Amino acid sequence: KQEVTQIPAALSVPEGENLVLNCSFTDSAIYNLQWFRQDPGKGLTSLLLIQSSQREQTSGRLNASLDKSSGRSTLYIAASQPGDSATYLCAGGYAGGTSYGKLTFGQGTILTVHP
Amino acid sequence: GAVVSQHPSWVICKSGTSVKIECRSLDFQATTMFWYRQFPKQSLMLMATSNEGSKATYEQGVEKDKFLINHASLTLSTLTVTSAHPEDSSFYICSARDHGKNIQYFGAGTRLSVL
Repeated sequence: KQEVTQIPAALSVPEGENLVLNCSFTDSAIYNLQWFRQDPGKGLTSLLLIQSSQREQTSGRLNASLDKSSGRSTLYIAASQPGDSATYLCAGGYAGGTSYGKLTFGQGTILTVHP
Repeated sequence: GAVVSQHPSWVICKSGTSVKIECRSLDFQATTMFWYRQFPKQSLMLMATSNEGSKATYEQGVEKDKFLINHASLTLSTLTVTSAHPEDSSFYICSARDHGKNIQYFGAGTRLSVL
């Protein structure tokens, strides 16, 4: 069974701090790993997508890494801002058989950046 | 980027009525769409995979007669919650898979409240 776990469940940091969110997955047969942001009561905003052949992706202050061998991905946020406050979800994309195209989501990390 | 439109964004209905939610891919063809459900403060759980021109594939524990899915065209999938009850109240999110890019794009979600 494919499982995705995120730690910590919640994180509160002062503005300006650099932070790391962690994601681990049990099935290394992922074909990609995505990080999403979700604001309260809203849908998902895709932040970064890492293909299985890649090690990391960067977008602005965000950097995501992928290590398939250890079953881990991290999302690094530099110089955090109050506007970064949201729930961050990681999801593993799987291929093969009945899992083809499915995303398995972690439970999310609730991030609060206070001024 | 690609856009997925989900409608309505919010619906309130009486217990026993049926509610239809639409998911449209606006600028690409999606032979596969996915329907997720999210309870408060929880992650997304895949309900079913919607395949254009064929029957949907439901995840274990999801009642196919309760949650009717129709994917009649390459840009539209609908989820109908039949005979809704208060326990069906939740946030429903769809996604559409762009096969060319092997990426899922998400709708903004529909908040269903059953009285």
